[in-house]
Parts: sequence; structure tokens; C-alpha cells
Amino acid sequence: GQSLEQPSEVTAVEGAIVQINCTYQTSGFYGLSWYQQHDGGAPTFLSYNALDGLEETGRFSSFLSRSDSYGYLLLQELQMKDSASYFCAVVPGNTPLVFGKGTRLSVIA
Amino acid sequence: SQTIHQWPATLVQPVGSPLSLECTVEGTSNPNLYWYRQAAGRGLQLLFYSVGIGQISSEVPQNLSASRPQDRQFILSSKKLLLSDSGFYLCAWSPLGAGGGIVGKNIQYFGAGTRLSVL
Repeated sequence: GQSLEQPSEVTAVEGAIVQINCTYQTSGFYGLSWYQQHDGGAPTFLSYNALDGLEETGRFSSFLSRSDSYGYLLLQELQMKDSASYFCAVVPGNTPLVFGKGTRLSVIA
Repeated sequence: SQTIHQWPATLVQPVGSPLSLECTVEGTSNPNLYWYRQAAGRGLQLLFYSVGIGQISSEVPQNLSASRPQDRQFILSSKKLLLSDSGFYLCAWSPLGAGGGIVGKNIQYFGAGTRLSVL
């Protein structure tokens, strides 16, 4: 089977740094993706890691350790607009994405 | 550029009535297409996906069906809605893999969603 675990909720202060962890157990693994979804909106793609290490895109970074079946999304210089749900998703290879249940991030002043 | 259209944005239907949600993609050919359902405050549940015209894979047995009558059109249907069918329905597309099917990053691009309330 396939399973992904991520915290259900995280709260952080504006301007701070927050890390959202994701652990996975899947029968196939090609890479790990992250999606952002604002309330009432559609998910949008943020980042993708196929190899171990850190990928940086502006204020957002994503990390992967294949040996630990673990990844995280790092958000720096938090802004109020970053309040949203964040989903990790495993790319199994030749089958559709498997999404985690999502982490609701609340940024407070 | 590619765009995905999904309608209607909101829908209120009585129990037992039929359902038809439509999704179309523009600006690309042979996309992979997906239907998801999201309950309030919950994750994304994959319902159906398609790698080509007439090819539908069902992930969850239930009261719904999907069809792909044209390359860039994906339709979600039900003959008789249940209360439990209420939710946020999302259509998505991803580029076809190099060898056909689903391979590579499989970045998915989502439509704006349909909020369905069955009363």
C-alpha cells in the first residue's frame, strides 16, 4: 500500500521560518512533490525532488532523503498569504500521484 | 499556454438526482486527466484517471463514473446522487509521459473546482 504522514496543523509567526515534514511508505518512488492550496481554491504545484538534497525556489525550499523516506517543505520569511494547506505527494512512477492528507499552516501576526 | 476549465463552480442537487461535471483542457494534446474529491478540511481522494480517449481507471468503487469522449474532455457523472457525494470536486491534467502513460514528475495542474452540495 501507499501512505504518507504529515502534521495536520502548524502555526507560525509572520517573518519566521516553518518546516512541514512528510514521511512516506510507497511501493514505488520516483520523487516527492509539494502542493499549496488556499481555502476554497485549487492546489498548485510548488516543488519537486527526485534526488536527495535541498531544492530552493525563492522563499520556499524542499528537501528529500530517499534512504529515510522523508522530506520536508521549508518556508522562510513567512507572510500572511502563506496561510494555506500544504500537501506532499509521492510520484510512484507509472501510476498517479499519491497525496498526503495535508498540513494546514496558519501564519499569525 | 495551457488552461483547464471546470464547471459549474457550485452546484446544489437533491438526493437521487443525476450529476454531470465537465472539464476541458486547452493548449496541450494527449494529457493525462484526473478527477479528485476533497471533503471539507481533508485530503485529495483520487476518483478516476485517464491516459487516453476511452481509457478510464477507477480508483475508488462508488456511485460515480467518468468518461473521456474527446482527447481534452473529461466528464464526471452519477445517475443518482447520495448525500455522501457532497464535496469539492477537482479536475486536473498532467503531461503525458514520454513513453505514454504516467511517468516523470507528473506535475498536475488543477481546475478551479466544483463545490457540490447534495441535499
